[in-house]
Amino acid sequence: NAGVTQTPKFQVLKTGQSMTLQCAQDMNHNSMYWYRQDPGMGLRLIYYSASEGTTDKGEVPNGYNVSRLNKREFSLRLESAAPSQTSVYFCASSETGFPAFFGQGTRLTVV
Amino acid sequence: QKEVEQNSGPLSVPEGAIASLNCTYSDRGSQSFFWYRQYSGKSPELIMFIYSNGDKEDGRFTAQLNKASQYVSLLIRDSQPSDSATYLCAALMDSSYKLIFGSGTRLLVRP
Repeated sequence: NAGVTQTPKFQVLKTGQSMTLQCAQDMNHNSMYWYRQDPGMGLRLIYYSASEGTTDKGEVPNGYNVSRLNKREFSLRLESAAPSQTSVYFCASSETGFPAFFGQGTRLTVV
Repeated sequence: QKEVEQNSGPLSVPEGAIASLNCTYSDRGSQSFFWYRQYSGKSPELIMFIYSNGDKEDGRFTAQLNKASQYVSLLIRDSQPSDSATYLCAALMDSSYKLIFGSGTRLLVRP
């Protein structure tokens, strides 16, 4: 039972490049989340998906898009990366109204 | 702006002592409160959540909530060096999926 799996674990992008962060969970959860964590700022919600086919913006959605491909997978796309998007990104899932299980994180650096 | 405030620490306690971690929140509409533990370089783990005023105990952990004072705390009894981590407090508005996180308190348990 892998829980929540994120890929990649590390990534370096040049400004303006695009990339997709992948997230998959094997717990049959309806809710999935994308957070970013910056030093001294705690976790901030980027996007949320309550179920397959639905997504909602969180606190900091600008510069990101998401896709809830199916119940298992929830991807986060950066269309044109900026240095301000340098952060650690966490995917999470739950069957309740709050994130219960987190992936191991993706450390992204935009240069 | 809804805020959750925590002292960044580090809070240093000797092994076997009680560690007391505190959190205040600004939005009186917040209904549910959560504590996550995050080891350095790792993802957050949900420890406890509390909805009602008073205390909630789970093993060595006790969460305390005082809605009148807008104050949440986490007590860790018989602290162990393995408890050394950053503890994140979070608040959830009723009918909302948007969890607001504090920036975390770093706890150091000295052997």
